[in-house]
Amino acid sequence: GAVVSQHPSWVICKSGTSVKIECRSLDFQATTMFWYRQFPKQSLMLMATSNEGSKATYEQGVEKDKFLINHASLTLSTLTVTSAHPEDSSFYICSASPLAGGWDEQFFGPGTRLTVL
Amino acid sequence: AQTVTQSQPEMSVQEAETVTLSCTYDTSESDYYLFWYKQPPSRQMILVIRQEAYKQQNATENRFSVNFQKAAKSFSLKISDSQLGDAAMYFCAYKEGRDDKIIFGKGTRLHILP
Repeated sequence: GAVVSQHPSWVICKSGTSVKIECRSLDFQATTMFWYRQFPKQSLMLMATSNEGSKATYEQGVEKDKFLINHASLTLSTLTVTSAHPEDSSFYICSASPLAGGWDEQFFGPGTRLTVL
Repeated sequence: AQTVTQSQPEMSVQEAETVTLSCTYDTSESDYYLFWYKQPPSRQMILVIRQEAYKQQNATENRFSVNFQKAAKSFSLKISDSQLGDAAMYFCAYKEGRDDKIIFGKGTRLHILP
């Protein structure tokens, strides 16, 4: 099946620094990529939807300036957590969809655990 | 707004037995899709099974099957011959036909007792 990778798998950073997380579709081109946040023992919360070459669409309550998303190519989307604080510590998961619309399956990355000290 | 409800935060089942996980959803749309995802301790999301709303026949994937009751807006997952590797968090999810977004339920943690 289609593979989505995330890098890094875990990161620890100091408060106030920025962290970039990469999401790559390895064997398919992703028209749309999604970024989720998952707190311990909770469900996935969609943060934003990004389409290649256009601005990301953020869900209500998600700060655009805090979570910068760039979908520069059909195989790569990045999430940058700017000026990270301890409350940004979480598990971040990306997914990628090969085609727009329809019921096309979303393929999930393995996630990135962010810890902000 | 569409919602997905999983009323069982945790369940346990004896190995080799059958277990059913419940899910209800709310929508006014006619074109949508339903999914069950598995999230093992590795945290990797794995698609278990999917159902198109227009299909009356319940989806089946080996030991996994669903009971799709469209009128009742119910979408339960049955796991037969439970195995230790089935232990995971299971999320019920909904997607509109014209939309790319998936809406997840809160999840049910399934324990398999040896």
